[in-house]
Amino acid sequence: GAVVSQHPSRVICKSGTSVKIECRSLDFQATTMFWYRQFPKKSLMLMATSNEGSKATYEQGVEKDKFLINHASLTLSTLTVTSAHPEDSSFYICSAKGGTPETQYFGPGTRLLVL
Amino acid sequence: GNSVTQMEGPVTLSEEAFLTINCTYTATGYPSLFWYVQYPGEGLQLLLKATKADDKGSNKGFEATYRKETTSFHLEKGSVQVSDSAVYFCALGSGSARQLTFGSGTQLTVLP
Repeated sequence: GAVVSQHPSRVICKSGTSVKIECRSLDFQATTMFWYRQFPKKSLMLMATSNEGSKATYEQGVEKDKFLINHASLTLSTLTVTSAHPEDSSFYICSAKGGTPETQYFGPGTRLLVL
Repeated sequence: GNSVTQMEGPVTLSEEAFLTINCTYTATGYPSLFWYVQYPGEGLQLLLKATKADDKGSNKGFEATYRKETTSFHLEKGSVQVSDSAVYFCALGSGSARQLTFGSGTQLTVLP
């Protein structure tokens, strides 16, 4: 089946620094990618919808200046957590829409820990 | 708005037991319904889906029927295996981009 990768799988950073997470669709082109955040023992919360070549659409309550999303190509979307703080520590998951029939394929997630 | 309410876990069963994980939803329009599974250390994988009322999705022995009258999409399996131990998420997809709204997830542990 279709494969979506995320890099890095785990990152630890100091408070105030910025962290970039990459999401790649490895064997298909994805015009739409999604970014989710998953809290411990909680569901996935959609943060934003990323469309190739245009600005991302953010869900209510998600700060677009805090979570910068860039979808520069049909196989790559990036999420940058700017000026990270401990409350940003979480599991970030991306998905890419594609294939026939069209389905969302999920990446393995990135664990972010902000100290 | 859309929402998904899922049976809280954790659920612990013995091998070959019958499994039901309840899922109900609230949505406008005609959403598609999904069950995703997350094995330890891995990303979410689509388990099954149904796109319209009365559709039955099935895969790997799991089944779920899209019930519009009860707004439900309960997951069932007749005989679980240890390898089914995972977290199961019910989700609905709607909108032009088919954004997914997830339930809270149910941790299933199957003991040998």
